[in-house]
Amino acid sequence: QQQVKQSPQSLIVQKGGISIINCAYENTAFDYFPWYQQFPGKGPALLIAIRPDVSEKKEGRFTISFNKSAKQFSLHIMDSQPGDSATYFCAARATGFQKLVFGTGTRLLVSP
Amino acid sequence: DGGITQSPKYLFRKEGQNVTLSCEQNLNHDAMYWYRQDPGQGLRLIYYSQIVNDFQKGDIAEGYSVSREKKESFPLTVTSAQKNPTAFYLCATNPGQGRAGELFFGEGSRLTVL
Repeated sequence: QQQVKQSPQSLIVQKGGISIINCAYENTAFDYFPWYQQFPGKGPALLIAIRPDVSEKKEGRFTISFNKSAKQFSLHIMDSQPGDSATYFCAARATGFQKLVFGTGTRLLVSP
Repeated sequence: DGGITQSPKYLFRKEGQNVTLSCEQNLNHDAMYWYRQDPGQGLRLIYYSQIVNDFQKGDIAEGYSVSREKKESFPLTVTSAQKNPTAFYLCATNPGQGRAGELFFGEGSRLTVL
């Protein structure tokens, strides 16, 4: 079964710190790796995504680092803010497939 | 306003009853999806549809049914055969056109079985 393993399950970071969430996969057919952000009681929303032909993508305070050989990718949130407190999901899509496989989620709390 | 509307937001059901969750979209997206969210288990795919009058089972389709009679609508029925239906249900769409990994989600429906 296709899987994406996500860690940690929960994370507490002080305001201004760096939040790091990691994901690992096994299926080498995955070709698209998005991260979704979900606030309580809401649906997830696409935050940032990367394809395996690049090792890093940055959008504002959010950066994806991608290690193709290790089959790992991670989300870094720089200068974390209380408004970043949410659940984050990594995901992956296999070439030619119309569905995503999601990680189990990381609940991030940024303390003031 | 373009978007995805799920209803009801909260729903209570007695054991043995079927319930139908509504999902309507005006984004003109062909593909629609139903996910189930449980604490610590992420998002699991129930059913998806890439075109009207066609749909495929996802990873946890047992105890659920769907229809796709219109492009805008993709209702999910939780049947009495679903053993553990209490969960948060999310509907999503995808615009296609090279953006196959980008999902747009509704705000969800929380189903509680009493």
